[in-house]
Amino acid sequence: DIVLTQSPATLSVSPGERATLSCRASQSISTNLAWYQQKPGQTPRLLIYGASTRATGVPARFTGSGSGTAFSLTVSSLQSEDFAIYYCQQYNNWPATFGQGTKVDIK
Amino acid sequence: QLQLRESGAGLVKPSETLSLTCSVSGVSIVTTRYYWGWVRQTPGKGLEWIGSVYETGSPFSGDNTFHNPSLKSRVTLSVDTSKNQFSLSLASVTVADTAVYYCARQVPVIGAAADYLDAWGQGTLVTVSS
Repeated sequence: DIVLTQSPATLSVSPGERATLSCRASQSISTNLAWYQQKPGQTPRLLIYGASTRATGVPARFTGSGSGTAFSLTVSSLQSEDFAIYYCQQYNNWPATFGQGTKVDIK
Repeated sequence: QLQLRESGAGLVKPSETLSLTCSVSGVSIVTTRYYWGWVRQTPGKGLEWIGSVYETGSPFSGDNTFHNPSLKSRVTLSVDTSKNQFSLSLASVTVADTAVYYCARQVPVIGAAADYLDAWGQGTLVTVSS
């Protein structure tokens, strides 16, 4: 199975600041990567698919990039509602696999 | 508007079978555009894809169920088109199967072997304990 490694495990950021999250794949997955946001007690929400395409209703401050084995999710100016855990997921190879998550908390 | 809702027993004894149903509203699960799947989440292992079904309504489509090999042959997936539901059974459960179980809609992508998930249920906690 493809292993996805997310870093850092926790990212402490002040509101209004920029946050950059990393996801590395154990082998090339082209651009078949999605990002999800999960707030405490809530269900995961699709943010990005195809490595860089925002899902419906996702604010433009969320930007996904990368291909092959290295991917990133950038939140340009963190809002209070953005503090959450973010997961990457690859769907290039079967079965689909998820990263362990990056928690973005308030500095 | 698409909604998915899981239901089933929240407590299962070791060695017994976990059974969950996902009720879908707002869209038909009979479609060639999407798969319908299950994902579980534990503090230790994180998010794990369990399996999915693909229901086109064709009597000639054969067995369109898929499951994670890590769960070996313990997974059974089924569809009830009359109720717009799909179901998961996981046999011979152990404490390691304690998790929040989500049903979700999966979007297949040309050129990719698996799918991403664009809609999720609210999740249901299943605890395996005697």
